Amino acid sequence: AQRVTQPEKLLSVFKGAPVELKCNYSYSGSPELFWYVQYSRQRLQLLLRHISRESIKGFTADLNKGETSFHLKKPFAQEEDSAMYYCALSGLSGNTPLVFGKGTRLSVIA
Amino acid sequence: EAEVAQSPRYKITEKSQAVAFWCDPISGHATLYWYRQILGQGPELLVQFQDESVVDDSQLPKDRFSAERLKGVDSTLKIQPAELGDSAMYLCASSLRGTGNVWETQYFGPGTRLLVL
Repeated sequence: AQRVTQPEKLLSVFKGAPVELKCNYSYSGSPELFWYVQYSRQRLQLLLRHISRESIKGFTADLNKGETSFHLKKPFAQEEDSAMYYCALSGLSGNTPLVFGKGTRLSVIA
Repeated sequence: EAEVAQSPRYKITEKSQAVAFWCDPISGHATLYWYRQILGQGPELLVQFQDESVVDDSQLPKDRFSAERLKGVDSTLKIQPAELGDSAMYLCASSLRGTGNVWETQYFGPGTRLLVL
């Protein structure tokens, strides 16, 4: 079965502190992994995807196939990072739907 | 910048009534998705279209839900009759066609928040 688990519903950190949002997955095969973000009063948008191996807004995510994890990290949190973060997976073939976790709300305290 | 449009943004209805939601994808996007997001959960796929054809509707409660994309452009999702448990955010997303192992980014609309009383 395909499943994405985000163990933390809420994560509060101080500005300038490191951030790690946890994501674990189960999937039969090799999935593509994503992080989506939803800022207050905005639509859900793609933050980053594993295959791109890029850093967006200072965030990175490393795929650990042994631990089936795709944790999102940022060394120094900013107030504007406060948002809802969703980890998601899909199959590798084109245009397969996303399977989302329940999300983690990140609150960065000034 | 082109965006996915949805209407209405909010809908309040009584149980047993019919409701309909509309989605206009980004121009040129062949693939369209409807997701449902219950409060405190992540979005879950209801139905996927490729052009005007349904690709996946395995999670669509077909006794009360229907979806169409007649001309392969905009789409309508209908619920009849609505039940209390249908209260949720209904999200539409679209993407380019995608071929082979190329996964195309899904772009989401603002959603329609449904409240069934």
